Amino acid sequence: AQTVTQSQPEMSVQEAETVTLSCTYDTSESDYYLFWYKQPPSRQMILVIRQEAYKQQNATENRFSVNFQKAAKSFSLKISDSQLGDAAMYFCAYSLYGQNFVFGPGTRLSVLP
Amino acid sequence: EAEVAQSPRYKITEKSQAVAFWCDPISGHATLYWYRQILGQGPELLVQFQDESVVDDSQLPKDRFSAERLKGVDSTLKIQPAELGDSAMYLCASSLEGPQREQYFGPGTRLTVT
Repeated sequence: AQTVTQSQPEMSVQEAETVTLSCTYDTSESDYYLFWYKQPPSRQMILVIRQEAYKQQNATENRFSVNFQKAAKSFSLKISDSQLGDAAMYFCAYSLYGQNFVFGPGTRLSVLP
Repeated sequence: EAEVAQSPRYKITEKSQAVAFWCDPISGHATLYWYRQILGQGPELLVQFQDESVVDDSQLPKDRFSAERLKGVDSTLKIQPAELGDSAMYLCASSLEGPQREQYFGPGTRLTVT
């Protein structure tokens, strides 16, 4: 079975600085999808960024980018110019052909003013 | 902006009782998901529907949990009988069809079993 690991239960970053959240996963498949979701306090979970495994180019969405290392099964999220609104739980997730969704345990990110 | 609706938002029930949760996905979203999120953990997929058909219920405890989406629109998740370990947030999400599609999550139902 696929597993997703996030080794950093909590992280903090100064406002305007850059932070990287780690994610590793285990799969024997070659074609799959990876996601980062954000869950702000008492608010709905929302998608931050997604990556298709067969695409070598790292995905980027404004201040959010990923470092996808397929051979190492690593999928880290970099947040640049951190803002107070970035404070949330961040979940890394894996999907195989749009099914078998598996979420990691999450990393709580605090942004310090 | 369209949102996923869930009700009730909070539910307290005694163990051995039956409990049901309702989800109304975003209009036009063929795929619907039910997740269980224990406090401090990531969501765990319980069941995934494509229209009215179940495509993944491998993690659904079928001895006590059931889910249906009879007309391929709204969905109900039922627990009977509830156990203390079922206390959690139950999240519903929906998406358009396709493996890379964004899931839109509802606000969740927080269940407390006493």
